[in-house]
Amino acid sequence: SQQGEEDPQALSIQEGENATMNCSYKTSINNLQWYRQNSGRGLVHLILIRSNEREKHSGRLRVTLDTSKKSSSLLITASRAADTASYFCATDYRYTGTASKLTFGTGTRLQVTL
Amino acid sequence: SQTIHQWPATLVQPVGSPLSLECTVEGTSNPNLYWYRQAAGRGLQLLFYSVGIGQISSEVPQNLSASRPQDRQFILSSKKLLLSDSGFYLCAWGTIRAFFGQGTRLTVV
Repeated sequence: SQQGEEDPQALSIQEGENATMNCSYKTSINNLQWYRQNSGRGLVHLILIRSNEREKHSGRLRVTLDTSKKSSSLLITASRAADTASYFCATDYRYTGTASKLTFGTGTRLQVTL
Repeated sequence: SQTIHQWPATLVQPVGSPLSLECTVEGTSNPNLYWYRQAAGRGLQLLFYSVGIGQISSEVPQNLSASRPQDRQFILSSKKLLLSDSGFYLCAWGTIRAFFGQGTRLTVV
């Protein structure tokens, strides 16, 4: 399956530091998305970057995409304790029709300590 | 605005018992609907998706089935649960971005 793989699996940093997570995928994509999951909850969409974009910003989030290397990174600047969560990348390739099949990676567990 | 409801939040079921998890979406019509399963500490596995009433596509052969009896209703079922069916089940809707319900924690004992 076209599954992304996040790296590292777990990351522990102190509040105020930056957190960088990486994602690799296998085949051509339409877009790549990052989601956040608080423990035991559903996923929340953070940011989407299209295959023809190289960088995108949203608040303290910065996403890069390198389609030649089939990789993406998520940078969270000036992290806060509330950023503690699991972060997933999801790649999208379109089946016939309108359904998008989002394939998720295994996630990075981020722990931000005071 | 659109909302998605998924219930129950937690469920403990004995092996061999049936299962029915329900998901409904409000505020949109003809949504693409998805069921995912997440094993403990793992990523999400797409189980089923639907682009319309009665149209179900299965991603992984397994002990589960899905149905879409109404436009904004998506049901995940099993006739006889296995221990391996335990996990965190998530319903989602969307075309490009996915909007997730809060999930159902299923424990088969």
